[in-house]
Order: sequence, then C-alpha cells, then structure tokens
Amino acid sequence: DTAVSQTPKYLVTQMGNDKSIKCEQNLGHDTMYWYKQDSKKFLKIMFSYNNKELIINETVPNRFSPKSPDKAHLNLHINSLELGDSAVYFCASSQDLTGNQPQHFGDGTRLSIL
Amino acid sequence: AQSVAQPEDQVNVAEGNPLTVKCTYSVSGNPYLFWYVQYPNRGLQFLLKYITGDNLVKGSYGFEAEFNKSQTSFHLKKPSALVSDSALYFCAGRSNNAGNMLTFGGGTRLMVKP
Repeated sequence: DTAVSQTPKYLVTQMGNDKSIKCEQNLGHDTMYWYKQDSKKFLKIMFSYNNKELIINETVPNRFSPKSPDKAHLNLHINSLELGDSAVYFCASSQDLTGNQPQHFGDGTRLSIL
Repeated sequence: AQSVAQPEDQVNVAEGNPLTVKCTYSVSGNPYLFWYVQYPNRGLQFLLKYITGDNLVKGSYGFEAEFNKSQTSFHLKKPSALVSDSALYFCAGRSNNAGNMLTFGGGTRLMVKP
C-alpha cells in the first residue's frame, strides 16, 4: 500500500504548456505539502494545506495553483510552463500542523520542460 | 528566520567504519529536528527525530543522532556503515512556534565503499 502517491512519475512537455500533477495520501493525515527539488537536490517548500485550507504559499509564482478537493488529495496545476520549472516535485503529508510528527513523501514527479 | 546547514556535500566512509553526517541549525524557540534519507528516484524517508527529552535519539536502520544545544548541532551517526547506506541525507528543522514550516539543509551524499 503506497502511503503518498503521485502521478505522473515523469512529465515531459513543451514550454508554454499547462500541466497538472496529482497527489493522494491514504494515511488519514490532515496536512499536505508540495516541495520542489532542483538539479542540485536542494529542497524547498512551495505550499502547505491543512484540512483543505491553504496555510503557506512560499513566494511561488501564481502560475502554480494548488487545489485540495478533500484532505486526502492535493493537486498542483502549473500554467505557462517555463524552462526553470524543470525539477522534481514532491508531495508530502503529515498528521497535523504541530510539526512534531514526520512528513511522509511521495516518490516525486520529474518534470522536464523542452 | 530559521536555517539548517549541512556543511559537507559528500561524506566518504569505508564499509564497517563509523559514519557521521553533520548538521547545524538556527531556529527560534525550541527546535524540532529531523533526519531523512533519499535513495535514487525515491522520495525522502524519515529516519529519526528530536522533539524533546533525551539528547541521543535512535532511529531506523541503526542510525542515531545527538542533539547538542550549546553547539546547535544534530549530527547523524552510525557505528558501522553498510554499502546500502549510500544515499542522500537531509537534516531538517523548525521552531516549535505555530505556523513555521520545516526547513531542509542542502543534503549530504554519503558514499560507503566496500
């Protein structure tokens, strides 16, 4: 049973296109996150949602729009893709916002912009 | 502002020898500290955490970490390295104040040679 699953695993597309990445967790967690890992493996938080409500938006361009239809899902839609968007995007979840519980990560979506 | 630093990009160790991966932190309040491991093409996996209590924390796969408040460090250790420990290791931390997100260090690649 995969705890945090992301689809697709790989995404190759042209500059200017719009794409979505889906994330689902079956852990019953309240809080979900999106992270971006660049080519140097540096990991940066993008968004945090708690019970479907946006908590954190870390100065991410508004071309990136997260959507949480329920607390088990947090999808990421990206408009007008740019070369600099090429990265690995990780979804994660944690029990709640207290921060004393570990985050559980999906295996990532590798986005390549041509 | 909070920050987490991993001063070594790579650590090389021979199989069977002890290993240390260094981490220092700067967070306000009492810190919550975590270590994660990332294998190729996978998401981050939780190893151990320090929230409060005993400064020596034991985690998965024989890893442990020591919280040192005076040196603001949380180094990851293992008495005897295995080749299979070779991976990318991330230290992460946050303040116990509400609303703070987890900040990750830049990662340290551990190479264990037979």
